[in-house]
Amino acid sequence: TQLLEQSPQFLSIQEGENLTVYCNSSSVFSSLQWYRQEPGEGPVLLVTVVTGGEVKKLKRLTFQFGDARKDSSLHITAAQPGDTGLYLCAGIDYKLSFGAGTTVTVRA
Amino acid sequence: NAGVTQTPKFRVLKTGQSMTLLCAQDMNHEYMYWYRQDPGMGLRLIHYSVGEGTTAKGEVPDGYNVSRLKKQNFLLGLESAAPSQTSVYFCASSSWTSGSGADTQYFGPGTRLTVL
Repeated sequence: TQLLEQSPQFLSIQEGENLTVYCNSSSVFSSLQWYRQEPGEGPVLLVTVVTGGEVKKLKRLTFQFGDARKDSSLHITAAQPGDTGLYLCAGIDYKLSFGAGTTVTVRA
Repeated sequence: NAGVTQTPKFRVLKTGQSMTLLCAQDMNHEYMYWYRQDPGMGLRLIHYSVGEGTTAKGEVPDGYNVSRLKKQNFLLGLESAAPSQTSVYFCASSSWTSGSGADTQYFGPGTRLTVL
């Protein structure tokens, strides 16, 4: 059983559209991270959110951490083909627990 | 800096064979990790190490052994490979960031292992 549930599992959109990926858990985490992984490579950290209710922006990417520190979302505005990849959320207690990931495909 | 490197990149084994995967990091990180990644399962922690000479079990340790004889190296061994161990293996390293309660993990490029 996955500690962190990500939805949707797959997402395919046209360039310029917006998208949101969700990460939910029944457990409380001290902080949560989002990674992006491209084919044939290891995951790369995008952001760490620490405080309940926190919102962080990274260019066109907006990350939210739920008030109860059990859920998070990643919103991409005006998606570009370079945003294509596997997006993974990871909750932190004394180690990382990863979700199964959301595969995002942005078509040109 | 090379960051985290993994050797080999690809390997095919027959059932029952043994092998060792090597992970090396040049960032002087205390913590090192081995994960496996399977379709629809995300990354699952096999073993980890919080310092030279120490190792601990993760979520899916059965069938694997590890050693951390030097701070910069973390080895993952399969003594008797099974088809269920076909996967992509990732090594990662981190240093604990005090105050934020979060550690940034830096991943290697992965080793794709097939067990026939």
